[in-house]
Amino acid sequence: GAGVSQSPSNKVTEKGKDVELRCDPISGHTALYWYRQRLGQGLEFLIYFQGNSAPDKSGLPSDRFSAERTGESVSTLTIQRTQQEDSAVYLCASSFVSGVNTGELFFGEGSRLTVL
Amino acid sequence: DQQVKQNSPSLSVQEGRISILNCDYTNSMFDYFLWYKKYPAEGPTFLISISSIKDKNEDGRFTVFLNKSAKHLSLHIVPSQPGDSAVYFCGGRSGGSNYKLTFGKGTLLTVNP
Repeated sequence: GAGVSQSPSNKVTEKGKDVELRCDPISGHTALYWYRQRLGQGLEFLIYFQGNSAPDKSGLPSDRFSAERTGESVSTLTIQRTQQEDSAVYLCASSFVSGVNTGELFFGEGSRLTVL
Repeated sequence: DQQVKQNSPSLSVQEGRISILNCDYTNSMFDYFLWYKKYPAEGPTFLISISSIKDKNEDGRFTVFLNKSAKHLSLHIVPSQPGDSAVYFCGGRSGGSNYKLTFGKGTLLTVNP
């Protein structure tokens, strides 16, 4: 597809379980971001990958959260021992380097995570 | 520490009139400001941006104004259309080599026919 693809679109899990969320960026985009939106909140930055540089992990809320990206392709966001406060829509975005210069990111439709 | 603030959670406007969405920020290091629009169950889509060295950027019905001294920006939509009804997020990009984008909580715009 031409856009950013995320899976699963919906995930319901029990507290304490681990979850993996996947993002397929637009082909050729070197920059990839993860954000989340909790109910009634704004878009909260989690992590940023740019090419082969070390990722900016400054937004990850705890050490239960981690993310990987292989080269300039797929990224996986992993949440271990999920808590109810992790319930949110997790959004992935990608951009060209030039897109980064103007702030234009292309977002996926998000993965809605519900922790019971 | 909320670096980007959208103090109006919602705004209702009549079709054909002007919509003005406001945004305040605290981080002086932002070098780009941007607006995104989000429909329910969809990802945000880029709308318009402005460099910190400019005070106005216009794209069709959308104009963004930046007042650096007041650390304030606004998005004007004129004329407003029912299809503009969405949540609008204001964001700032950290300057230098850190391209982290920080967003506000969003404003829900409703344009009534």
